[in-house]
Amino acid sequence: GAVVSQHPSRVICKSGTSVKIECRSLDFQATTMFWYRQFPKQSLMLMATSNEGSKATYEQGVEKDKFLINHASLTLSTLTVTSAHPEDSSFYICSASGPGTGDGYTFGSGTRLTVV
Amino acid sequence: GQSLEQPSEVTAVEGAIVQINCTYQTSGFYGLSWYQQHDGGAPTFLSYNALDGLEETGRFSSFLSRSDSYGYLLLQELQMKDSASYFCAAPPGGAGNKLTFGGGTRVLVKP
Repeated sequence: GAVVSQHPSRVICKSGTSVKIECRSLDFQATTMFWYRQFPKQSLMLMATSNEGSKATYEQGVEKDKFLINHASLTLSTLTVTSAHPEDSSFYICSASGPGTGDGYTFGSGTRLTVV
Repeated sequence: GQSLEQPSEVTAVEGAIVQINCTYQTSGFYGLSWYQQHDGGAPTFLSYNALDGLEETGRFSSFLSRSDSYGYLLLQELQMKDSASYFCAAPPGGAGNKLTFGGGTRVLVKP
């Protein structure tokens, strides 16, 4: 089945630094990747949609200059949280779709970001 | 826009049956999906209903009524490992369409 690998699973960083999260599709071509954010005991909120080779489409209220998304290849998308602040601490999850992923979207294992 | 409503929490005992309802208001509806998420983990796909009716997959079944803008996930023969959050989501209208999630229902299974 379709597998999405997300790395790192956990990261702690200092305020003001940047953190990069990678999301890779291992056995299929991810034409579209989605990035979600989830606070404890809440639902997943879509941050942005990225298509390979083009600029990401951000949801309303998401700062594109703060959350930089790159989808340079059909198997890799990255989310960089720039100048991180404690309020950016959250669970970030990617998901991917493409030929062969069927009716369900495949999610990465998530990244727990803690900004101190 | 899209809006999906589901109960926030359900508690049941092992062996019981739980039904999680989901009502939705969406534009361009393509179907209803269900995902399971354990604490600290990623969502995993459970089922998808594109047409009205019941889809059965082992102990879990999902139902959709387009005319009522309503669906449900039925968990049978509950096991402790079923304790998790369950999300309805829409639409998976083909690869590339963004998925919107309901608020999630936390299911707690007690011995």
